[in-house]
Amino acid sequence: GAGVSQSPSNKVTEKGKDVELRCDPISGHTALYWYRQSLGQGLEFLIYFQGNSAPDKSGLPSDRFSAERTGGSVSTLTIQRTQQEDSAVYLCASSFAPGQGVNGYTFGSGTRLTVV
Amino acid sequence: SQQGEEDPQALSIQEGENATMNCSYKTSINNLQWYRQNSGRGLVHLILIRSNEREKHSGRLRVTLDTSKKSSSLLITASRAADTASYFCATPDRGSTLGRLYFGRGTQLTVWP
Repeated sequence: GAGVSQSPSNKVTEKGKDVELRCDPISGHTALYWYRQSLGQGLEFLIYFQGNSAPDKSGLPSDRFSAERTGGSVSTLTIQRTQQEDSAVYLCASSFAPGQGVNGYTFGSGTRLTVV
Repeated sequence: SQQGEEDPQALSIQEGENATMNCSYKTSINNLQWYRQNSGRGLVHLILIRSNEREKHSGRLRVTLDTSKKSSSLLITASRAADTASYFCATPDRGSTLGRLYFGRGTQLTVWP
């Protein structure tokens, strides 16, 4: 597609439920990133996929968080047993691989997750 | 932490004035990027400056980079109400050209008509 697509745009869930957030990156971008942003805060890195390499999961805050990227394209971020502190905007971005034309990230519009 | 820090946290100006935002970072970098965010949603890439560049222009944007001071500035000239947004600087891992980016907390710019 023309841009990075994220769905859903908004999600309200009850504490303890599992949620799945989807990201469809720009075709041809081999790198995909997940960040989250709490109200009025900066971006917190979660996970980074680059081609077929093992993902950099160093930013995942707990084992309730996991992500996968199928076929080198679409990615799903899963949060199990959601807690209120998980409420945030979850942002996905994609880019070319490092060294292949450094033009920065292209971000999606994000998923606003509210845990009640 | 390599995280950049923007300064000031908030800036309020009148249309037509210039806006200057600063960013400081901690480790050596290959490049530094500036992004804009409207209404807490996705960020938009504005400009990238490489470590061997000192100044770069894009329309009404002017970015400078001083690697000796580990700092960068973003100047928006002749600001407009539509420039109202949060502005973030971001740097990659030390020695990397892209990959994971470290973002600061941002500067909230308000431009009054």
